[in-house]
Amino acid sequence: DGGITQSPKYLFRKEGQNVTLSCEQNLNHDAMYWYRQDPGQGLRLIYYSQIVNDFQKGDIAEGYSVSREKKESFPLTVTSAQKNPTAFYLCASSMGTDAGYTFGSGTRLTVV
Amino acid sequence: AQSVSQHNHHVILSEAASLELGCNYSYGGTVNLFWYVQYPGQHLQLLLKYFSGDPLVKGIKGFEAEFIKSKFSFNLRKPSVQWSDTAEYFCAVNAGGNTGKLIFGQGTTLQVKP
Repeated sequence: DGGITQSPKYLFRKEGQNVTLSCEQNLNHDAMYWYRQDPGQGLRLIYYSQIVNDFQKGDIAEGYSVSREKKESFPLTVTSAQKNPTAFYLCASSMGTDAGYTFGSGTRLTVV
Repeated sequence: AQSVSQHNHHVILSEAASLELGCNYSYGGTVNLFWYVQYPGQHLQLLLKYFSGDPLVKGIKGFEAEFIKSKFSFNLRKPSVQWSDTAEYFCAVNAGGNTGKLIFGQGTTLQVKP
């Protein structure tokens, strides 16, 4: 079955460490997105990519970085510069600009 | 800046009650509108979407939503809720351009009591 795989499901890191969240899709979608979900704030866009080797900052990109070397993969790195990294991170992909998203199951990151 | 506002943050209903969740957006141009649902422990999934045509759209599991352009609203409705509808509901808008970015509301948590 086609879908989006995010791994790991739970991640714990010490403050000051960088951590990379994985997102892989086999839907042949061109566009991929990273959102952060916090209680009462909905989903906020971190980064997005419409095509391989290209990506743009979203609304809350500070302290995060991404790469898009392959169509299937869009990893997100949470750097030590991110002030409040503890959150639930969602990856999504889309067929086109007018299409809805397919979401992954998310990664819950806890920084201690 | 474009924004989406969901008025109800937490709704508690008894089974068989009717549901209406409010959603308003701020954008004057052509919009595509979505409602997503997140059941406990599951990933976000699409309930319904509006692109054009009939402003009353029907989605899965008996949900429907009405696009009222003059009110910048896209409210979600269901005539009779079930315990299994307990979930978090998100309204989202794709406000033009060619990025495909969705702007999400804050979410509404629905709790249905059996």
